[in-house]
Amino acid sequence: GAVVSQHPSRVICKSGTSVKIECRSLDFQATTMFWYRQFPKQSLMLMATSNEGSKATYEQGVEKDKFLINHASLTLSTLTVTSAHPEDSSFYICSARIPGQNTEAFFGQGTRLTVV
Amino acid sequence: GQNIDQPTEMTATEGAIVQINCTYQTSGFNGLFWYQQHAGEAPTFLSYNVLDGLEEKGRFSSFLSRSKGYSYLLLKELQMKDSASYLCAVQDSNYQLIWGAGTKLIIKP
Repeated sequence: GAVVSQHPSRVICKSGTSVKIECRSLDFQATTMFWYRQFPKQSLMLMATSNEGSKATYEQGVEKDKFLINHASLTLSTLTVTSAHPEDSSFYICSARIPGQNTEAFFGQGTRLTVV
Repeated sequence: GQNIDQPTEMTATEGAIVQINCTYQTSGFNGLFWYQQHAGEAPTFLSYNVLDGLEEKGRFSSFLSRSKGYSYLLLKELQMKDSASYLCAVQDSNYQLIWGAGTKLIIKP
């Protein structure tokens, strides 16, 4: 199957700093990527849809100025958590689907963010 | 609104069979997916159903009834490594994935 690579897998940062998470599609071009957040014992919560070459679409309640998304190429989307606070500590996962095909979503490995 | 329902948690015995149900109400339907997620890891794809009936893949099978808005994932010959959360997701008319909350499956020896 297709491969989506996410980096870093774990990051610990100080409160008030920013953290960038990268999501790459390794063997296909992804015009759209999805960013999810998952709190312990809860399901995936879609945060935003990242669109190559245009602005991301954010879900209701997600602050676009806090969670900056850039999708500058067909294989790379980044999520930057700005001015991170302890309540932002979570598991962040990206996914992508092969364009034009009704196939499953391929997930990155996930990033465990801990803000101290 | 759109809604996906799954049991929160199930327990089964190693070597046995377990069925995880999923019911859905969505704006349109373009297929149903099952994913497995181990703690601290990303979900991995298990199955996809778009037509009614049973899809079998090794120890795992998935069933769909579109008229009933119902699916189940059947796991046979359970192994300890099958302990995980199982997520049901429906693709709506806009090809957006709507996710269930997941079912945590606990396997006991």
